[in-house]
Amino acid sequence: AQKITQTQPGMFVQEKEAVTLDCTYDTSDPSYGLFWYKQPSSGEMIFLIYQGSYDQQNATEGRYSLNFQKARKSANLVISASQLGDSAMYFCAMSTNYGGATNKLIFGTGTLLAVQP
Amino acid sequence: DTGVSQNPRHKITKRGQNVTFRCDPISEHNRLYWYRQTLGQGPEFLTYFQNEAQLEKSRLLSDRFSAERPKGSFSTLEIQRTEQGDSAMYLCASSPNSRSYTDTQYFGPGTRLTVL
Repeated sequence: AQKITQTQPGMFVQEKEAVTLDCTYDTSDPSYGLFWYKQPSSGEMIFLIYQGSYDQQNATEGRYSLNFQKARKSANLVISASQLGDSAMYFCAMSTNYGGATNKLIFGTGTLLAVQP
Repeated sequence: DTGVSQNPRHKITKRGQNVTFRCDPISEHNRLYWYRQTLGQGPEFLTYFQNEAQLEKSRLLSDRFSAERPKGSFSTLEIQRTEQGDSAMYLCASSPNSRSYTDTQYFGPGTRLTVL
């Protein structure tokens, strides 16, 4: 079964500090992609970062980095130097080739991040 | 701005009424997805189009739901005889046509449906 698990319903972080949001995944497909999205209160899903299952290096995009540990099936998002505007819901998602070429995303339940001044 | 757009942004309707939502994907993207997100949950896949062909439908998509993408550009999602359980955010996403699990899906702002 394809599954994404996010065990942190909510987190607080002080402004300018780093924070790690946890994500574990389950799939039997050797080819998959892992994505992180940010969803502010307005509702739009904003793409942050992507990691492919065959990528040798951890992905980075500005203040976002992905701590990819394939053996442990984890893909944690690290946000450095948190800003007040980072307060939002964060979703981890996975896409695989399992079942055909649809490449639909499977999402976790999300982590609500609150950045405190 | 050439991102994914959705209309309307909000829809309030009475139980039993029909509603229709529209999604305009990024212009060069051939793949279009619809997802539904209920309160406190992540989005769940509803259906997928490759150009004008609807290639996959989730079991979540009951026979009251129908989606079209007539010319391979914009898509519509219609819900007939709405029920209170249909209240949710309906999200549309598009991605390039490389048939790869690595493609990033870009989402629109969503349509929030409230059924009274």
